[in-house]
Amino acid sequence: KNQVEQSPQSLIILEGKNCTLQCNYTVSPFSNLRWYKQDTGRGPVSLTIMTFSENTKSNGRYTATLDADTKQSSLHITASQLSDSASYICVVSASGSNYQLIWGAGTKLIIKP
Amino acid sequence: DTGVSQNPRHKITKRGQNVTFRCDPISEHNRLYWYRQTLGQGPEFLTYFQNEAQLEKSRLLSDRFSAERPKGSFSTLEIQRTEQGDSAMYLCASSRNLRDRASSPLHFGNGTRLTVT
Repeated sequence: KNQVEQSPQSLIILEGKNCTLQCNYTVSPFSNLRWYKQDTGRGPVSLTIMTFSENTKSNGRYTATLDADTKQSSLHITASQLSDSASYICVVSASGSNYQLIWGAGTKLIIKP
Repeated sequence: DTGVSQNPRHKITKRGQNVTFRCDPISEHNRLYWYRQTLGQGPEFLTYFQNEAQLEKSRLLSDRFSAERPKGSFSTLEIQRTEQGDSAMYLCASSRNLRDRASSPLHFGNGTRLTVT
């Protein structure tokens, strides 16, 4: 069964600290893996998209890694800011089509001052 | 702001009533998607349009749900005879039709939150 599992479910860190969110998937075949940021009450916003051949991709203070052999991805946030408080969702595409996406349940990140 | 626009932002309705939501995608995007999201879960795919053609529909989508995109621009999602279980955030997204599908991210609107009482 195609699944995307994220950990931790929630995380609280102090402003300025770094953190890493994990994503494990059992999706086959594999086309690409995406990370989205979703603020409360708003739609998800794309952070990164990685294909099989990419093992790291950065977007400002966000760096995503992908290990297609172990089927794991991580999202590292550097020097966290209060505005980073959000849910971070890992999404895997089996076919490359946007409508056949397997969504994780997300990690809820809270940044405290 | 030329992002995806959804209206209304919130809708409260009584069980059994019909509701209709509207989505205006990014103008140059020919693909449009509807998702439903409940608290603590990722979005669940409902249906997808390429231009005015509805190409995919989730098997989970009840026949009380219908979506249209008559001119290939804006789209509407109607729910007939609403039930309490329909309470959720309804998200619309759009994307370009690129040859490299891996690089065509979804751009989401901020959703319509439906509460059925």
